[in-house]
Formats: sequence, C-alpha cells, structure tokens
Amino acid sequence: DAKTTQPTSMDCAEGRAANLPCNHSTISGNEYVYWYRQIHSQGPQYIIHGLKNNETNEMASLIITEDRKSSTLILPHATLRDTAVYYCIVRVGGNTGGFKTIFGAGTRLFVKA
Amino acid sequence: GAVVSQHPSWVICKSGTSVKIECRSLDFQATTMFWYRQFPKQSLMLMATSNEGSKATYEQGVEKDKFLINHASLTLSTLTVTSAHPEDSSFYICSVPDQARYTDTQYFGPGTRLTVL
Repeated sequence: DAKTTQPTSMDCAEGRAANLPCNHSTISGNEYVYWYRQIHSQGPQYIIHGLKNNETNEMASLIITEDRKSSTLILPHATLRDTAVYYCIVRVGGNTGGFKTIFGAGTRLFVKA
Repeated sequence: GAVVSQHPSWVICKSGTSVKIECRSLDFQATTMFWYRQFPKQSLMLMATSNEGSKATYEQGVEKDKFLINHASLTLSTLTVTSAHPEDSSFYICSVPDQARYTDTQYFGPGTRLTVL
C-alpha cells in the first residue's frame, strides 16, 4: 500500500472549517483514499473515502487532486468533539474483505473554543 | 455505520494469566476480521488477520503462540493473550470489513484496555 504523509498536528477554531492535508504521491490507480479518526481511548471511526472524484457525506468532504497525489479532508464546521487523531490511508479496495488497513501516525487535530 | 462490539471493555489481570477478548460484528457477517494493538501515544499496529474457518495470519514480529486467534463464526473472533506480562498491557482493537461494499470500509470496535500487573 502507498505511504502517506500528514502533518503531525493542527489547530482549528470552533465553528471554522478544518482542512487536513494528506500527501500520497506513490498512489496506484486502483488504490482508494480513506480517512478515519480516533477520539481518545476509542476505536477508530470511518469518515469518508474516494477514488478519483471529490466526495461529501454528512461528516466531511474529501477533495482529491486531479493527479491523485494528494487529498484534503474538510470538516466544514469543526466542533470541540472533532478533536481527534485523523488518519489518511491509501489502500486497494475490494469486496473480499481481505485487504489490510495500515495506520500511519496521523494528524492530531485540536479544535479550540 | 456498522456496529462492532468488544468484550470486555477493560480487564486487569495478574502476570502469567491468560485473557480472552471477544470481537463481534452485530450488523453483518465477515469471513475476515483484523486485530490491532495500540500503545499510549502511538498509532494502531496491525497484529493479525483473523480468518473464518482457517488459521489466522500474523504480522511479522507478532508471536502466534502468545496471541491466539479463533474466528469461531462469521460474526465472532476472539483474541487470547496467553501468559500475559506487563509488557502486554495495551489497547486492543478489532475491525470488521464491510464486504458488501466494493471499497471494503473497515468498522472498528470500541477497544479493550488490558492492564497486566
């Protein structure tokens, strides 16, 4: 699976948009970009994923560059409960369930009042 | 999202005892589940892939005789930490892939915190 690079930590003001970048310059054509987050002392939570097109759901938006070498996770109106470690993961998708998810260090997002 | 449960949520045991952790998929069946370990202030480390009906696949450096995995059914996998020692104290998390979706989204349990005295 392709390696990703994320900033170690970021701050965001409550109510503002949080933009979390991720570089994945060695991504392959069949690899998806996944985002998960982990709130302290809990299991990770799935946020969003995408292949080529930008994606949006009730939690966030995912913007993937045209060359697919980087992406940005956007939390449109960050709240204090969004304080967590955010993981950008690139991996092959598929419906066999056998593909591993390998976690990097992630970005620690602090949302401040 | 899908619901994955783990039991117990925390456990304290004496050194040398064995501890069993259960991971249940409540929403869908899975032929594969994954077990992770997380030490304080570190990221999740994949330990093994649990396979229903066959042996688990362990990551390099993980002792298979120490961390016994049994995938008893399509909704249950168990991790047994045998002869636990203080260095095994950690946060253990399982995940279940949603195999119905092509992109194989993973759903994680809430974790089990193991403390070995």
